[in-house]
Amino acid sequence: DVKVTQSSRYLVKRTGEKVFLECVQDMDHENMFWYRQDPGLGLRLIYFSYDVKMKEKGDIPEGYSVSREKKERFSLILESASTNQTSMYLCAGSGSNQPQHFGDGTRLSIL
Amino acid sequence: ELKVEQNPLFLSMQEGKNYTIYCNYSTTSDRLYWYRQDPGKSLESLFVLLSNGAVKQEGRLMASLDTKARLSTLHITAAVHDLSATYFCLYSGGSNYKLTFGKGTLLTVNP
Repeated sequence: DVKVTQSSRYLVKRTGEKVFLECVQDMDHENMFWYRQDPGLGLRLIYFSYDVKMKEKGDIPEGYSVSREKKERFSLILESASTNQTSMYLCAGSGSNQPQHFGDGTRLSIL
Repeated sequence: ELKVEQNPLFLSMQEGKNYTIYCNYSTTSDRLYWYRQDPGKSLESLFVLLSNGAVKQEGRLMASLDTKARLSTLHITAAVHDLSATYFCLYSGGSNYKLTFGKGTLLTVNP
């Protein structure tokens, strides 16, 4: 069965910290995505990647970066965490013309 | 600017009734997806619609795509309580392969 695994379900960090959110997929799919989900705003695309070492900005990339050194792993990095980055973060993976498969999400709180 | 408008945002219905959720988008689409999200859970893929006129059905849910009208619908037939969840459409397409979710429809089915 398809599996997208996010390293943490809940995470609490402090303002100014560098935060890493990890995502691993076992589908051998090229495409991986990071979203954040906020009440009233829905899901918004932060970054995505169509291949190893490749990245594209989504709708809200400011304050974030990503890394895709291996096909199965896509990391989201908050360079200097701020309170407005408190959110639910969802990682997804997909093949071409296939639906995205989502991880369980990481609920991140920045204090 | 791409807009994906989903409505209604909130839907309360009685068991046994029929209803339709709409997803309008403002530019040409390559494909349209529907997802379900239960409270505190991640997103589950329901349907993938890849061409004009596409219709998919699973149980009491049926999704369709009209690319000329730039409209996708999710029709609920004889609703049951287990269908209570938030439903999202996901637009994929445009010149730079934008990915944009609708805001979601919170469906509550009452006994």
